[in-house]
Amino acid sequence: GAGVSQSPSNKVTEKGKDVELRCDPISGHTALYWYRQSLGQGLEFLIYFQGNSAPDKSGLPSDRFSAERTGGSVSTLTIQRTQQEDSAVYLCASSLVGLAGGEYNEQFFGPGTRLTVL
Amino acid sequence: AQKVTQAQTEISVVEKEDVTLDCVYETRDTTYYLFWYKQPPSGELVFLIRRNSFDEQNEISGRYSWNFQKSTSSFNFTITASQVVDSAVYFCAAHTGANSKLTFGKGITLSVRP
Repeated sequence: GAGVSQSPSNKVTEKGKDVELRCDPISGHTALYWYRQSLGQGLEFLIYFQGNSAPDKSGLPSDRFSAERTGGSVSTLTIQRTQQEDSAVYLCASSLVGLAGGEYNEQFFGPGTRLTVL
Repeated sequence: AQKVTQAQTEISVVEKEDVTLDCVYETRDTTYYLFWYKQPPSGELVFLIRRNSFDEQNEISGRYSWNFQKSTSSFNFTITASQVVDSAVYFCAAHTGANSKLTFGKGITLSVRP
């Protein structure tokens, strides 16, 4: 079946603008994750959704970052008033079962969105 | 919280050489999961293997093998007879039952020269 898809693949924006990044997880996967990959910081966890539970937002770097997941499927990561340090590749991943299901299952990653803030 | 250390940053080998990528993890949890992911130049992270803390058997998959040593908190990855297509960044990662995120190491850039 189809893997995790993300759009856009590339996004160039001006400092101060808002951006929205989209993730379509693998069908049937209940858990969805956002990560950020940047040169200086490596791969960083941002936020995690599992079913109808409250999301784990512990990795969001500031209140300019937010994410939602509608209908338990598609997720949107929004960055408001973008800064140059937000430039990175934003990766989305999904897994079949998160914590609630017991044994942990591997996360499958999308191709990422490369965000460049000028 | 857990921590994953990949002390090697870049490795360069000639095709057909064997290469071992090191990974050391730290966690206070008794149940945890360890992973290796490959990130080729195309950028997409590819899952390679998952190992549970209670499963101490090593694993071999073709040219890939993984050595899980609880005594040294290591989960090393060996590629036998490396090929140019193995050139990529390899990430070791860990997850525990205490949280929902994967903690990644910094990654090792492997270059295999023909």
